[in-house]
Amino acid sequence: GDSVTQMEGPVTLSEEAFLTINCTYTATGYPSLFWYVQYPGEGLQLLLKATKADDKGSNKGFEATYRKETTSFHLEKGSVQVSDSAVYFCARGNTGNQFYFGTGTSLTVIP
Amino acid sequence: SAVISQKPSRDICQRGTSLTIQCQVDSQVTMMFWYRQQPGQSLTLIATANQGSEATYESGFVIDKFPISRPNLTFSTLTVSNMSPEDSSIYLCSVSGTTRLYNEQFFGPGTRLTVL
Repeated sequence: GDSVTQMEGPVTLSEEAFLTINCTYTATGYPSLFWYVQYPGEGLQLLLKATKADDKGSNKGFEATYRKETTSFHLEKGSVQVSDSAVYFCARGNTGNQFYFGTGTSLTVIP
Repeated sequence: SAVISQKPSRDICQRGTSLTIQCQVDSQVTMMFWYRQQPGQSLTLIATANQGSEATYESGFVIDKFPISRPNLTFSTLTVSNMSPEDSSIYLCSVSGTTRLYNEQFFGPGTRLTVL
């Protein structure tokens, strides 16, 4: 069935390190793909999205490219900051606007 | 993006009681959803709140336990009935479907529920 598989955490990085959080999906057709971020004690915020193959979503230094051939939407950031410490969720939409979320990846960035 | 508010932001409740959570959006939206996020877990969709008709529940969730109202296009409530400690979670409202929000979901800040 349709699903989202996300890299398990927790992930701990030093400040200015490179970040990759893997996400792959299964779906019929070409769903929109999203990354959401949840900072401690807060709700989910949309971080970035891509609505078709080869689209690159970007925001706050984070990027993710919609790869149809590998059914992936990996999140990357070249230089993480302490303020990036949060839980990151990969998600995909479907035609009914229902979303499927990955299990979340907790990121801790240490100074 | 839409501005979504939830009330209450948190509550501590006794076993066997019920709590109603409100979700208010600052613009009319086609679809509203209720999710549960148990401690350390991902989001689980409880139901889709349909305006003017009964909510559509996901497998494992029933109307008697989680009655939902959607009286108009900007407001919905979720009630957690006859609570037990296992209901301790964050409950999140989300919206999608207006022209400027098409194919995206935006989330409210969540309601943190602790059941003793």
